[in-house]
Amino acid sequence: AQSVTQLGSHVSVSEGALVLLRCNYSSSVPPYLFWYVQYPNQGLQLLLKYTSAATLVKGINGFEAEFKKSETSFHLTKPSAHMSDAAEYFCAVSVESSASKIIFGSGTRLSIRP
Amino acid sequence: ETGVTQSPTHLIKTRGQQVTLRCSSQSGHNTVSWYQQALGQGPQFIFQYYREEENGRGNFPPRFSGLQFPNYSSELNVNALELDDSALYLCASSLGLAGEYEQYFGPGTRLTVT
Repeated sequence: AQSVTQLGSHVSVSEGALVLLRCNYSSSVPPYLFWYVQYPNQGLQLLLKYTSAATLVKGINGFEAEFKKSETSFHLTKPSAHMSDAAEYFCAVSVESSASKIIFGSGTRLSIRP
Repeated sequence: ETGVTQSPTHLIKTRGQQVTLRCSSQSGHNTVSWYQQALGQGPQFIFQYYREEENGRGNFPPRFSGLQFPNYSSELNVNALELDDSALYLCASSLGLAGEYEQYFGPGTRLTVT
């Protein structure tokens, strides 16, 4: 069954530092991969989506993610962290057999140190 | 343009009771998905409705049921509530199947079962 694993439930970086949030998917290449952000007491917002058109995907707020088939990874990065980036981040994958079903990872909480 | 709205914001119920949660889709969206997000976890897919028909279901028992109305708003009904049903319930609307089209999430309904 399709699944995603997010390494690290909590990541803390200094303001201005590189942000790296890790996500690995199960062995079969999914149709779509996503990164979502959730701010406190809010719903989820799509950051970016991989559709096989390009391995490097650029999203909103300066985030990007690179699809690496050989590593079954889809890590999220941002060159310079901002205080407003503090939030919960979720990696997600669509199920090959059902385009309606999205499987989410357990999330990574990103904290930014001043 | 009005975003996705959910009601109520918070709800407290007793074990064994029934609950109905409501979701209004973003204008023009014909697809609604429901998710359960337990504390500290990622959202879990419950089911999706496309043009008033269920179109995909996650691993939830039949006591979780739904409806989508002609105006594409939706309800999630949960019967015989259990303590483990305590969670944030999110709905998301989209122009089509969740994997193919961007989902727009509501802020959620926080359900507490005592």
